[in-house]
Amino acid sequence: SQELEQSPQSLIVQEGKNLTINCTSSKTLYGLYWYKQKYGEGLIFLMMLQKGGEEKSHEKITAKLDEKKQQSSLHITASQPSHAGIYLCGADIKNSGYSTLTFGKGTMLLVSP
Amino acid sequence: ETGVTQTPRHLVMGMTNKKSLKCEQHLGHNAMYWYKQSAKKPLELMFVYNFKEQTENNSVPSRFSPECPNSSHLFLHLHTLQPEDSALYLCASSQGASPLHFGNGTRLTVT
Repeated sequence: SQELEQSPQSLIVQEGKNLTINCTSSKTLYGLYWYKQKYGEGLIFLMMLQKGGEEKSHEKITAKLDEKKQQSSLHITASQPSHAGIYLCGADIKNSGYSTLTFGKGTMLLVSP
Repeated sequence: ETGVTQTPRHLVMGMTNKKSLKCEQHLGHNAMYWYKQSAKKPLELMFVYNFKEQTENNSVPSRFSPECPNSSHLFLHLHTLQPEDSALYLCASSQGASPLHFGNGTRLTVT
């Protein structure tokens, strides 16, 4: 089994609707990172969470970390076509002092008009 | 806009060719990384360099050979690749344990 599981694998939502993507680790989390990727391009950093219970928001995207459950969620409010893409969670499970992240497979988000 | 530049963006090579991927970061970071992204698989960490020294090699076959001449440049030398090596190769940099900054990748096709 994978060290980092993301769900759902893909998601189609109507513009204006809310959605949540989940990321669960089988190992202790020393940091959890959310990225967005457009197909065939690099990853764009969204947010980093390090402490249990931490919650961060940027525009209409909110990420939370449940350290005890080794889980994080990414919530998008009032989705827009610009939110479409692949969302990946990356976890620091080694605590090596640099960013040797383990990634999930990603969640592909489509936003229909 | 990216502080990490990768060239070429696309590369097609035969199994007997030798080619190199190049990555340059303009962010003043001390660590550089190579990741491989294949269809339906998570990103796989291949190599890590910290202050030009290789600190991690995740059991990558020897047909992939990294080189880091300084903290701003990273290369991936390729030779006698297999079709299953076709993937998007992503370079990233970081300052210690700060978030990774990724380049746009090189789409490699091995024929």
